[in-house]
Amino acid sequence: GAGVSQSPSNKVTEKGKDVELRCDPISGHTALYWYRQSLGQGLEFLIYFQGNSAPDKSGLPSDRFSAERTGGSVSTLTIQRTQQEDSAVYLCASSLGPKGAQYFGPGTRLLVL
Amino acid sequence: AQRVTQPEKLLSVFKGAPVELKCNYSYSGSPELFWYVQYSRQRLQLLLRHISRESIKGFTADLNKGETSFHLKKPFAQEEDSAMYYCALSGLGGSEKLVFGKGTKLTVNP
Repeated sequence: GAGVSQSPSNKVTEKGKDVELRCDPISGHTALYWYRQSLGQGLEFLIYFQGNSAPDKSGLPSDRFSAERTGGSVSTLTIQRTQQEDSAVYLCASSLGPKGAQYFGPGTRLLVL
Repeated sequence: AQRVTQPEKLLSVFKGAPVELKCNYSYSGSPELFWYVQYSRQRLQLLLRHISRESIKGFTADLNKGETSFHLKKPFAQEEDSAMYYCALSGLGGSEKLVFGKGTKLTVNP
């Protein structure tokens, strides 16, 4: 079956603009995660959704970052007023449940000029 | 605090040689440990999880709670093993977010 998909694959934006990154998890997976992969910081957890529970937002680096998950499926990560330090690869993962193995998407490479 | 340490950024071995990628962790409870691999131009994928106690592509990893380590081993490295390897942990309850190490780039030379 299809794996986790993300769009766009690459995004170049100007400092100060807002961006939206999309994640389509594997069908039936109730848990969805966003991570960020950058040269200096490695792979960092951002936010976690599980079913209808309140999301775990403990990894979001600032209030410019937000995410939502509509209908328990697709998720959108929004970065407002982008800064150059937001440049990174944003990875989405999903799992069958909170204890399941996480399957990763190909990532969105964001470059803020 | 949860932390995963991979002391080697780069590791280079010859084909057929044994390889060991080191991983140490810090966690106050009972963690679950994983190894993820990212081949060139491919997505991150799960290689091993300690609770499965299985061998994938000839790799094994044993959780040593006394030394808080989860080293990845393979007795005979192959060129196709060249990749980035990430050690990660999650808690056994609640949010299962992964905490990753910085990764080790393994190069297997012919």
